[in-house]
Amino acid sequence: QVQLVQTGGGVVQPGRSLRLSCEASGFTFTAYSMHWVRQAPGKGLEWVSIISTDGRIKIYADSVQGRFTVSRDNFKSTLFLEMNSLGPEDTAVYYCATDMAGGAYNIWGQGTLVTVSS
Amino acid sequence: QSALTQPPSASGSPGQSVTISCTGTSSDVGGYNYVSWFQHLPGNAPKLIIYEVNKRPSGVPDRFSGSKSGNTASLTVSGLQAEDEADYYCNSYAGNSYVFGTGTKVTVL
Repeated sequence: QVQLVQTGGGVVQPGRSLRLSCEASGFTFTAYSMHWVRQAPGKGLEWVSIISTDGRIKIYADSVQGRFTVSRDNFKSTLFLEMNSLGPEDTAVYYCATDMAGGAYNIWGQGTLVTVSS
Repeated sequence: QSALTQPPSASGSPGQSVTISCTGTSSDVGGYNYVSWFQHLPGNAPKLIIYEVNKRPSGVPDRFSGSKSGNTASLTVSGLQAEDEADYYCNSYAGNSYVFGTGTKVTVL
């Protein structure tokens, strides 16, 4: 079964860190660039980050640059998002997604809620 | 990385057509043929319905079509059905980044 299963969300205090995971199964993980996308409560979708198939190229949205780090373990078919210095503005449902090409996110994780609150 | 501009809402009766615009700049929509559209139902993950401006993934009905002119991309849903009621988002490659549209809520009257 083709799927992305996400873990790692939850409630975290401002300034703290959190790590999200996204495990792939049922398809060739190494064939896809991977993205993180988020949706804050009541807001639209926001692109967060991309990592290339080999993990060498990583690009971030301005809103998370310098605070978030994307990585992948191709042996374990798993994508990660390390989030540091979290603020209330980072409260959102976070999705991982595969990219067929140019932002064609064809497989999505189920989403995981991150709440930054004291 | 400003969001692409979409109308907040659109509506139509069953069987009618609705077209949603997605306006960007020459640095994103106008500069690349990498515009995608997603259907998003509350509580679910978004679903890809159009990619590379006008291509449909396997399993997406041909009622959904995409096009682009200059800096504006469009999604047309023909023969509206009740299950088409959802939020729709465009997304464009923007040269080393990606940007989503502001989203459009489609209501089937």
